[in-house]
Amino acid sequence: DAGVIQSPRHEVTEMGQEVTLRCKPISGHDYLFWYRQTMMRGLELLIYFNNNVPIDDSGMPEDRFSAKMPNASFSTLKIQPSEPRDSAVYFCASSLGHPDYSPLHFGNGTRLTVT
Amino acid sequence: AQSVTQLDSQVPVFEEAPVELRCNYSSSVPPYLFWYVQYPNQGLQLLMKYTTGATLVKGINGFEAEFKKSETSFHLTKPSAHMSDAAEYFCAVSGNTGGFKTIFGAGTRLFVKA
Repeated sequence: DAGVIQSPRHEVTEMGQEVTLRCKPISGHDYLFWYRQTMMRGLELLIYFNNNVPIDDSGMPEDRFSAKMPNASFSTLKIQPSEPRDSAVYFCASSLGHPDYSPLHFGNGTRLTVT
Repeated sequence: AQSVTQLDSQVPVFEEAPVELRCNYSSSVPPYLFWYVQYPNQGLQLLMKYTTGATLVKGINGFEAEFKKSETSFHLTKPSAHMSDAAEYFCAVSGNTGGFKTIFGAGTRLFVKA
């Protein structure tokens, strides 16, 4: 079990640039989540997928944010254009079974810095 | 609506001293409760979960938590702290509300002093 794999680990970009974060969930897991962690707001759920279908994107802060899951083993979170206030650690997590009672398995995160 | 309150943002303890990290929740339905730990530059890892059944839950690394419905609490404890326990701990609550709505607390940073 390789765990949830995220890339890149660190991303530094200039305001206005497009940023793409990548995630490979644990094989066989049917739920995938994108979280954002900041000192001010803690952990925020941005969006989650079930069997590759977006279920709830109410946490996506603006239209600048978009997420896709083209297949069961890959997801992306894109920010276009990026802004300094997007600087945060972005986590991908997956779970097997309904996440109300199934634990979340987190990746090590992508630390995004927008200058 | 569900919510989680972690009463302490930081808890310092001496090595080998007991640890208690407090968590209170509110939920309109029977809750599922979790504790996660986050080490520096890593994602969150599950320590334990409570769904139903025995109210004293044993987790990894010697941690325990007791679900107390009357107090709406799920405090995390360990009899003796190790230096390796220094990390941030998150309490989380979810419930069968028809949609996934796991709510994380703000986190408690545990400092272990020699």
